[in-house]
Amino acid sequence: GAVVSQHPSRVICKSGTSVKIECRSLDFQATTMFWYRQFPKKSLMLMATSNEGSKATYEQGVEKDKFLINHASLTLSTLTVTSAHPEDSSFYICSARVGQGGHPQHFGDGTRLSIL
Amino acid sequence: GDSVTQMEGPVTLSEEAFLTINCTYTATGYPSLFWYVQYPGEGLQLLLKATKADDKGSNKGFEATYRKETTSFHLEKGSVQVSDSAVYFCALSDARYSSASKIIFGSGTRLSIRP
Repeated sequence: GAVVSQHPSRVICKSGTSVKIECRSLDFQATTMFWYRQFPKKSLMLMATSNEGSKATYEQGVEKDKFLINHASLTLSTLTVTSAHPEDSSFYICSARVGQGGHPQHFGDGTRLSIL
Repeated sequence: GDSVTQMEGPVTLSEEAFLTINCTYTATGYPSLFWYVQYPGEGLQLLLKATKADDKGSNKGFEATYRKETTSFHLEKGSVQVSDSAVYFCALSDARYSSASKIIFGSGTRLSIRP
């Protein structure tokens, strides 16, 4: 149980393109979804937290106009990297959680984004 | 604020060796504690968890005990296998009874097991 599907697993595109990443909880309804960015050989950096039907809460230093998050249902959240540039190249990982903080987050397999 | 400190890697061991990866935390409340594992090119998988003091989480031969007196949650395994090679993250949930709570991760420890 507690499977999170993230799609696509890899994206390569030109600079200036907008890229959408989907995160779905397949067998549970997620109260909260999270988006992380991971640099090579580094830990995860939380970008934003989103609850279904409300605006995402962004971490300090994360541009909300650059990284658009939509959480339209209890099983789907999307991250759109708008007008992507090479410095946006990274490994993006989503997670989903049922209930409150004592419950673990369940992670997708990540999306490798490469901007040429 | 809350934080997690874990053993610097990389850690290289021979197959069947005993493993310990140290993890300590600082928290103002009563956090839940987790170990996650990340295999190359993949997301994180929950390995084990503990939600209160003296709880022991266990899975796939790995164990960790929530020690409030030493604010530690060290990961152990009695006999490692090559397939255990991965990056291990210690983490805490910063506010157990809040939907706004977040996970705070340690820096990760890369483990390599030699055949």
